[in-house]
Amino acid sequence: AQSVTQPDIHITVSEGASLELRCNYSYGATPYLFWYVQSPGQGLQLLLKYFSGDTLVQGIKGFEAEFKRSQSSFNLRKPSVHWSDAAEYFCAVGARGNTGNQFYFGTGTSLTVIP
Amino acid sequence: EPEVTQTPSHQVTQMGQEVILRCVPISNHLYFYWYRQILGQKVEFLVSFYNNEISEKSEIFDDQFSVERPDGSNFTLKIRSTKLEDSAMYFCASKAGTSGTDTQYFGPGTRLTVL
Repeated sequence: AQSVTQPDIHITVSEGASLELRCNYSYGATPYLFWYVQSPGQGLQLLLKYFSGDTLVQGIKGFEAEFKRSQSSFNLRKPSVHWSDAAEYFCAVGARGNTGNQFYFGTGTSLTVIP
Repeated sequence: EPEVTQTPSHQVTQMGQEVILRCVPISNHLYFYWYRQILGQKVEFLVSFYNNEISEKSEIFDDQFSVERPDGSNFTLKIRSTKLEDSAMYFCASKAGTSGTDTQYFGPGTRLTVL
């Protein structure tokens, strides 16, 4: 069965520091992978997604993620964090071969940015 | 930019009461979803809806739940007799096409509190 693990419930970083949020998935084939961000009072906003091809994908707001099949990981990175990046981040897996394409989410990682 | 909207933002109800959560998906999208997130837990898939019928549903989506698209714009989730464990954030999502690679766009959520 598909599942997603985000090992870090909460991360605190200083503004300007680099960031890496971890995501591990369990799926029988190459999945569709997504990262969403949720700011307080807002919906889940798509940061980036991976389907195939280049394993390093670029997203909005300066984020990138790398798909590593051997590690079943899809970690999210940003070289320099801004205070406005403080939010909840969700990794999700979408099943292939399924037009309904329900998503399986991780529990989320809450990011705090300190000045 | 078009967005998914949800009303109300917060709903408080007594156990055993019926609630209807409302969503307005992005215009001309074809697939609609409901997810929920119990506090501190994963975002979980409830149901997907396409072509005026349920496409998939999870085991959470039992007979107490129903969905409807009463007109060309609204998509509703009804809980017939709420239980304490239904307290959660409920997210609506929509996507444009039938491909698994299509992005799901999420609304800001409705927080349901059952007393």
